[in-house]
Amino acid sequence: GENVEQHPSTLSVQEGDSAVIKCTYSDSASNYFPWYKQELGKGPQLIIDIRSNVGEKKDQRIAVTLNKTAKHFSLHITETQPEDSAVYFCAAREEYGNKLVFGAGTILRVKS
Amino acid sequence: DTGVSQDPRHKITKRGQNVTFRCDPISEHNRLYWYRQTLGQGPEFLTYFQNEAQLEKSRLLSDRFSAERPKGSFSTLEIQRTEQGDSAMYLCASSGVSTEAFFGQGTRLTVV
Repeated sequence: GENVEQHPSTLSVQEGDSAVIKCTYSDSASNYFPWYKQELGKGPQLIIDIRSNVGEKKDQRIAVTLNKTAKHFSLHITETQPEDSAVYFCAAREEYGNKLVFGAGTILRVKS
Repeated sequence: DTGVSQDPRHKITKRGQNVTFRCDPISEHNRLYWYRQTLGQGPEFLTYFQNEAQLEKSRLLSDRFSAERPKGSFSTLEIQRTEQGDSAMYLCASSGVSTEAFFGQGTRLTVV
């Protein structure tokens, strides 16, 4: 089955700097890769996703890149703000599959 | 609010008791998922419904766990004879066909 690895487990950046979180996956059949942000005591919130027919997708300060050959994808957050502090999860799923397989999460701390 | 709704938000129960959680998905979504999340980990898939049919169950879902989705609307997750190892956040998510999965706020279960 699918296995998703995520790193780093914790990331501290200064406000205004960029943050990059990386994930690798094992199942070549996976072709849908969402990223979720989870704040303390809340459920995961979808922030951006990418499908395998696209190499990069951007939404304001957030971008995701995908390298299907190498089976890895990354989340990039530019101009970080204190409110970006949260736990971020990557996930992978077959396009019409039934379940998401999540990474272990990255705790992002943005210091002001 | 048209998001995924879960009830209760918190549940404390004694070991050996039965508990039931409820999830109300986004109204137009026909797919519903249950996940479990323990501290410091990403969500793990438990089970999946398409309309009222339960189509997939994880090995994590022991015989003490049962989920239903009568009439293809809300869903319930019951845990019988709770154990301390059942303490976790139980997350519900919903999606339409080939669309993004949106999570509820979760039910945090503590077994004492």
